[in-house]
Amino acid sequence: GAVVSQHPSWVICKSGTSVKIECRSLDFQATTMFWYRQFPKQSLMLMATSNEGSKATYEQGVEKDKFLINHASLTLSTLTVTSAHPEDSSFYICSAPEVARGPYEQYFGPGTRLTVT
Amino acid sequence: GNSVTQMEGPVTLSEEAFLTINCTYTATGYPSLFWYVQYPGEGLQLLLKATKADDKGSNKGFEATYRKETTSFHLEKGSVQVSDSAVYFCALNFVKAAGNKLTFGGGTRVLVKP
Repeated sequence: GAVVSQHPSWVICKSGTSVKIECRSLDFQATTMFWYRQFPKQSLMLMATSNEGSKATYEQGVEKDKFLINHASLTLSTLTVTSAHPEDSSFYICSAPEVARGPYEQYFGPGTRLTVT
Repeated sequence: GNSVTQMEGPVTLSEEAFLTINCTYTATGYPSLFWYVQYPGEGLQLLLKATKADDKGSNKGFEATYRKETTSFHLEKGSVQVSDSAVYFCALNFVKAAGNKLTFGGGTRVLVKP
């Protein structure tokens, strides 16, 4: 089946620093990827839609300048949390649809746990 | 807008018990419906799906039927195992919608005790 990976799986950073999270589709091309944020014991909140070769589309209430998204190739999207603060600590998950298997089939990465101290 | 409502957990069961997790949705049109499962510390995995009314999705002993008349997609399993302990998410999207965005329910945590 289609595989989506994320790197790193967990990261600890100091307040005020930036951290980059990678999302890769390993065996298929993804012109679109999605970034979610998940708080403990809560559902996924869609943050933004990452589009290869164009700007990301952010959901209402998500700060574009704080959560920078770059979809550099058909297999890689990155989320950079800039000037991180403790309230940014969360579980970040990406997903990508593999259109060849049907446009409704989405594959999720294993997630990245960010802790800001 | 679109929304998904599912029963709140946690749901605690004994092994071999019957599991039902209710899911209802609100949407304009006829979405595709999904159940995803998230095991501890992991990302989401697609459990099953249904793309049109009366379709039944099934996988690993789990089943759910797309009921248009009640706008529901309840998840069932006849005999749960400890390994079924996870968080289950009901979701919908529209095939032709730009970006195939998924709308998730709040998730239901299931704990199966031996």
